[in-house]
Amino acid sequence: DPKIIQKPKYLVAVTGSEKILICEQYLGHNAMYWYRQSAKKPLEFMFSYSYQKLMDNQTASSRFQPQSSKKNHLDLQITALKPDDSATYFCASSRGQGAGSDYTFGSGTRLLVI
Amino acid sequence: GDSVTQTEGLVTLTEGLPVMLNCTYQSTYSPFLFWYVQHLNEAPKLLLKSFTDNKRPEHQGFHATLHKSSSSFHLQKSSAQLSDSALYYCALGNYNQGKLIFGQGTKLSIKP
Repeated sequence: DPKIIQKPKYLVAVTGSEKILICEQYLGHNAMYWYRQSAKKPLEFMFSYSYQKLMDNQTASSRFQPQSSKKNHLDLQITALKPDDSATYFCASSRGQGAGSDYTFGSGTRLLVI
Repeated sequence: GDSVTQTEGLVTLTEGLPVMLNCTYQSTYSPFLFWYVQHLNEAPKLLLKSFTDNKRPEHQGFHATLHKSSSSFHLQKSSAQLSDSALYYCALGNYNQGKLIFGQGTKLSIKP
């Protein structure tokens, strides 16, 4: 059984629309992250959360908003979608933050904006 | 700022030959280094990690030694297998931050 569930697996969106990418982890981890992978910038850090609190944000655009309704959930809302947002978005989690905690990644959501 | 450099974008080797993928880093604090492997259409998975200078962790035939004096953590394997074909990421972490900083990745392609 997958330990980190990302939904949907594939997503096609129209420019200007809004989408929410879902991430749930069942590892009992306290820290969760979003990364983006595209041809231009492989595995680019976006956000980190620890105990449902935002710890770090490296995303320049406010169009990207993480949402944590439960400790094991970290969804990503993207508004006013642009073709440049096309990428695979990976959610990850770790037992703690810092101290060399290694990540477990979800299988990703492939987003195509047309 | 902290960063990771992987100089090779693509490494193509014949099966059975040794593998070496380069990784150097810049870190403000005492570093933790990781190698992640990503097979086609899959999630990245941890291959090995090191926090200790001059120690050599091994996994699935791969090994890497953290050399703080040269800020390097090169990945090696004595004999490549076809199944090793994948994208390999070197990543940097430290006590002060939870996020891992990933290098650009090296695509390893093994030919028969």
